[in-house]
This record gives sequence, C-alpha cells and structure tokens, in this order.
Amino acid sequence: AQTVTQSQPEMSVQEAETVTLSCTYDTSESDYYLFWYKQPPSRQMILVIRQEAYKQQNATENRFSVNFQKAAKSFSLKISDSQLGDAAMYFCAYAEDSSYKLIFGSGTRLLVRP
Amino acid sequence: NAGVTQTPKFQVLKTGQSMTLQCAQDMNHEYMSWYRQDPGMGLRLIHYSVGAGITDQGEVPNGYNVSRSTTEDFPLRLLSAAPSQTSVYFCASRRRKGGTTDTQYFGPGTRLTVL
Repeated sequence: AQTVTQSQPEMSVQEAETVTLSCTYDTSESDYYLFWYKQPPSRQMILVIRQEAYKQQNATENRFSVNFQKAAKSFSLKISDSQLGDAAMYFCAYAEDSSYKLIFGSGTRLLVRP
Repeated sequence: NAGVTQTPKFQVLKTGQSMTLQCAQDMNHEYMSWYRQDPGMGLRLIHYSVGAGITDQGEVPNGYNVSRSTTEDFPLRLLSAAPSQTSVYFCASRRRKGGTTDTQYFGPGTRLTVL
C-alpha cells in the first residue's frame, strides 16, 4: 500500500528566510501525482503546489518550489522569503494517476518568527 | 462560484445520536469524497463517489453512510455517533475529465464532537 511520511512534526523559520519541508513516499506505481497542501488555523485545505511524476522538471509557484526525486521517492517543499502568513500545517499528499483517493502524510507545523 | 460548501461548521452530538453532514459543490465535478482529520494525522478517506448513484468505501468507512442522488450533493450520515467519531470532516470534489483532473478542492470542514 502507498504511504506518505513527513518526518518533521514542526519546523521554524525566520521571516524572509528559506525553509525546506521534507516528504517521502512509497509506491510501486510509475504514474502518480504529488501535492503540498497548506492548512492555516481556519482549517481550510489550500493547494500550494502539485507535481506530475512523469515530469522531470520541478514545479514552482511563486515563492514555493519542490525538489522531486523520483528514484529516491522524495518530494520536498522549499518556501523562499518566508512570510508570517506562511505559518500553518503543511501536508504532503499522493494520488495515483486515475485515482480519486488522496493519501496524506501526518503534516508539518511551520512556525514563522518575526 | 461557491466551490465546495459544508454545513454545519460545528456540531456537538451525544453518543448514539444520528446526524447528516451536508456537502455541495457547484463546479459540476463528478468525483466527491469525504475525509476525516484526527489530531496529529493527515486526512483519511471515509467514502467516495464517482458520479450520481455510485458510491464506495474508503479507508475508514465504518459507522458512516453516504448517498449521491445528484451531481451537486454528497451527504455523510452518522448512524449512531460514537466518541471515536470526534474529528474534523472534510468534503472534497474533483473533475473527472478536462482541466486539472488530478486536483481535489476541499470544503471548509465540519468540527464534530461526540460526548
């Protein structure tokens, strides 16, 4: 069965600095998608960035970028120029190509120090 | 375009009571699903639907029922509430064809407490 592991329960970063959140996953599939979701205190699940496994190029969305290492089954999120509004829980998630089911990691709480 | 809406936002039940969590989407998405989020854990799939009239079980279906009579609505029923069902419940929807078919859109969640 597919699993997603986030080994950092909590991370802290100084405002304007860069932080990297780690995620590893286990799958025997070749086609799949990976996601990072942000959950602020409002509880809303907000999609931050997505990556298709067949694409070698790492996805970027403004200050957010990923380091996707398919062979190592690693999918880390880099947040540059951290802002106070980035403070939240971050969840890594996996979905198979044709699947409606998201498999989530346990989350990393990001604290941003002013 | 309201996206995915859920009602209520908060609910307190006594053990043994039943209730229905409502979920609706106005994006004409074929796929809809229910997840629960427990402290220290990611979301886990309860039930899902790939279209009107079609539902199936996810990872943690026990104690819950669903039905899908329309494309827009996907209610989740708790048959006899138990303290173990205290959680935050999220509804999500996803397109089956066209556009970004892989991305799920989440509702704002319902915090349920069972005493």
